[in-house]
Amino acid sequence: DADVTQTPRNRITKTGKRIMLECSQTKGHDRMYWYRQDPGLGLRLIYYSFDVKDINKGEISDGYSVSRQAQAKFSLSLESAIPNQTALYFCATSDSNNQPQHFGDGTRLSIL
Amino acid sequence: GDSVTQMEGPVTLSEEAFLTINCTYTATGYPSLFWYVQYPGEGLQLLLKATKADDKGSNKGFEATYRKETTSFHLEKGSVQVSDSAVYFCALSYGGTSYGKLTFGQGTILTVHP
Repeated sequence: DADVTQTPRNRITKTGKRIMLECSQTKGHDRMYWYRQDPGLGLRLIYYSFDVKDINKGEISDGYSVSRQAQAKFSLSLESAIPNQTALYFCATSDSNNQPQHFGDGTRLSIL
Repeated sequence: GDSVTQMEGPVTLSEEAFLTINCTYTATGYPSLFWYVQYPGEGLQLLLKATKADDKGSNKGFEATYRKETTSFHLEKGSVQVSDSAVYFCALSYGGTSYGKLTFGQGTILTVHP
């Protein structure tokens, strides 16, 4: 089983719909992150959480919200999806001991 | 603010050719530097890292040296294989409470032909 699991892997939806992307991890890491990937722009940080009671905005948090339900679960919501949120979304985790991040396989989201 | 700039791709090489992907950074402090690789349909995997000036990261035949004087972290491999075809990302982050907030370059697509 994957250490960092994202669901769904693919989603097509319509403008204005509420969408939730979920991430769960079995690595026991405290820190979790959500990124989006757009062609030619690399990955940009949306939100991050250093523990269950800690939520922080990244560089592109507008239009998104997150919930850290447990140490192992971190979900990303789009309250009212718009077409320019079409992208590949990645969840990542790291522990608190200065180690690199581990990424899930991504969720491809298309908003029509 | 901090930023990472990678050479524009895509890069297309024949098997066993020499690879260089350039990466330069702008940073306000003394970051750690990383190369991540993304194979088709997968997430990013850490390829190598360097945490201070003059460190050399290496893995799977790839190397990169942290050059503070030129603010660079170029990725090299002496002989590429078809299986190296992927997207490569250069990134930086800081230690302490800010650790893990990665700043990525735009990515470089590498295609290796037999």
